[in-house]
Amino acid sequence: DTEVTQTPKHLVMGMTNKKSLKCEQHMGHRAMYWYKQKAKKPPELMFVYSYEKLSINESVPSRFSPECPNSSLLNLHLHALQPEDSALYLCASSPSMGVTYEQYFGPGTRLTVT
Amino acid sequence: AQSVAQPEDQVNVAEGNPLTVKCTYSVSGNPYLFWYVQYPNRGLQFLLKYITGDNLVKGSYGFEAEFNKSQTSFHLKKPSALVSDSALYFCAVRPTDPSGGSYIPTFGRGTSLIVHP
Repeated sequence: DTEVTQTPKHLVMGMTNKKSLKCEQHMGHRAMYWYKQKAKKPPELMFVYSYEKLSINESVPSRFSPECPNSSLLNLHLHALQPEDSALYLCASSPSMGVTYEQYFGPGTRLTVT
Repeated sequence: AQSVAQPEDQVNVAEGNPLTVKCTYSVSGNPYLFWYVQYPNRGLQFLLKYITGDNLVKGSYGFEAEFNKSQTSFHLKKPSALVSDSALYFCAVRPTDPSGGSYIPTFGRGTSLIVHP
């Protein structure tokens, strides 16, 4: 199984809501990533987990809260978002954070904040 | 710090013609280079990578890329374009030695490839 799955595919939420994005992979990868992507722009790294520990936080606002409950699962908890947070949120994984590895991306969650 | 330039926002090519999507990079030491493709409303898909060895790298869907160290380039090519190749293409670089920098890949801004029937 070489697939990264993400749920939900689409999410509309108000600025006072709390919601979560979910990402799952069963490739045995030990590095998992959250990216934010605006239309026709490159993905922007948000967080990296390595062996289930938060390794990189790219100065992301605290209204985004990542969680890695186990080696296959990655969550992104959302609270009090702003309209400018509307974007495609991509999850990715790789065997480790080693620089020779390519990343495997999920299809993304299209988030709209109203 | 590493950087990647994709000088063209958009490349137009007729179906059946060869295509080239350009990428140049800047990195301390030797680079690890990657190409990804993104179809509409989808995540990025890995196409190919250069780590070491042969400068011509072959990847998925008939794509290939040539690593040119003197020109610091890693252009993506395909001998005969298909309409289904129309997508957004990203070049990415990772440093050989992340110390003093970052392990994470740096992506170019993306090039939209449009293949006309």
